[in-house]
Amino acid sequence: NAGVTQTPKFRVLKTGQSMTLLCAQDMNHEYMYWYRQDPGMGLRLIHYSVGEGTTAKGEVPDGYNVSRLKKQNFLLGLESAAPSQTSVYFCASSPLAGSYNEQFFGPGTRLTVL
Amino acid sequence: GQQVMQIPQYQHVQEGEDFTTYCNSSTTLSNIQWYKQRPGGHPVFLIQLVKSGEVKKQKRLTFQFGEAKKNSSLHITATQTTDVGTYFCAGLPYGGATNKLIFGTGTLLAVQP
Repeated sequence: NAGVTQTPKFRVLKTGQSMTLLCAQDMNHEYMYWYRQDPGMGLRLIHYSVGEGTTAKGEVPDGYNVSRLKKQNFLLGLESAAPSQTSVYFCASSPLAGSYNEQFFGPGTRLTVL
Repeated sequence: GQQVMQIPQYQHVQEGEDFTTYCNSSTTLSNIQWYKQRPGGHPVFLIQLVKSGEVKKQKRLTFQFGEAKKNSSLHITATQTTDVGTYFCAGLPYGGATNKLIFGTGTLLAVQP
């Protein structure tokens, strides 16, 4: 099993450009998440999904959109990139909620917006 | 909003010394998880604590969950160079959305051989 994979690994955008980050998991997990990680600020939740066809806002959703058309994929879109969106983006997934809800993280995408 | 703070932000130790990081939440938590992120890597789950006052051990690592379920700590005994990385706590607020963790700010541990 590959676990959680993310593409691309690196990307440089110009202000105003758009892009989509792809996250895929092969563990049949219900829950998927997108985080951004900035120095000194830990991991902040952008959007998450509790199942195929559902999405919800996290802590810092502005400027991002997401879609979960298939259970195994969770896409993060930036419609008009801004320098403030320069960050490392992590996707994660977890099994159906219970008392044990460990999150499995992908390797990350390093995005720079010029 | 709900916050989870960690102290210290950075700790530099000599190999063999002990290390402790503390995690404090502004709200009561259902459970707390700890993750480790190696430099250039991604967070990896270490452990979850659920019960008030719970203590769990993994070899040289000891995790505690406070009685009020608002704070937690991770203690590493006799650090090794393999312990280098950032340690994050992540809490699930009591009564909050299922699986919507709030991550702490992290503690970066540097170990000098």
